[in-house]
Amino acid sequence: GQQLNQSPQSMFIQEGEDVSMNCTSSSIFNTWLWYKQDPGEGPVLLIALYKAGELTSNGRLTAQFGITRKDSFLNISASIPSDVGIYFCAGPRQTGANNLFFGTGTRLTVIP
Amino acid sequence: NAGVTQTPKFQVLKTGQSMTLQCAQDMNHEYMSWYRQDPGMGLRLIHYSVGAGITDQGEVPNGYNVSRSTTEDFPLRLLSAAPSQTSVYFCASNTRDRKSSYNSPLHFGNGTRLTVT
Repeated sequence: GQQLNQSPQSMFIQEGEDVSMNCTSSSIFNTWLWYKQDPGEGPVLLIALYKAGELTSNGRLTAQFGITRKDSFLNISASIPSDVGIYFCAGPRQTGANNLFFGTGTRLTVIP
Repeated sequence: NAGVTQTPKFQVLKTGQSMTLQCAQDMNHEYMSWYRQDPGMGLRLIHYSVGAGITDQGEVPNGYNVSRSTTEDFPLRLLSAAPSQTSVYFCASNTRDRKSSYNSPLHFGNGTRLTVT
């Protein structure tokens, strides 16, 4: 099956620091999605990317769709305690499909 | 709108028991799906449905059955629970975005934590 590998697996950072994480795929995606999962809840969409090279921001979050279409990056600036959670990249199982492959996740801990 | 509602929140089963995980959505979404989440593996698709009466298998369908008799409900059945099915199960729904032709974001429930002993 499809492999979406995220790195790092986990991060411990001080409040106020910037965060970078990435996701790589064994094959091409036409859409990249980034989700966040708070403890005890389901994942929630943060950012959607639809074109190679696209750079999209959502508040302190910025994500990029890699030129090769096999990777994507998520940056969080000036982290705050509520950024704690697990961040997943995801892509559609087929073009236009309504269900997704998910990455292995990056667990973020923010130390106040 | 309640969104996607999953019940129960927690369940403990003995090996060989059967049970049904309930999922309901009130957004009139045509697409619904079930994922399981295991440590270090992200979320993996079990079964999905593109509309009432239509279901299909995902990556890890073995040991699970689904049906979709109404748009709102998409129950997941474990016929004979095994310890390997200990996991957190998430139901999700979405629809087609008519403006952009992309699918809308997946809306997830809050999960059912299942332990099989």
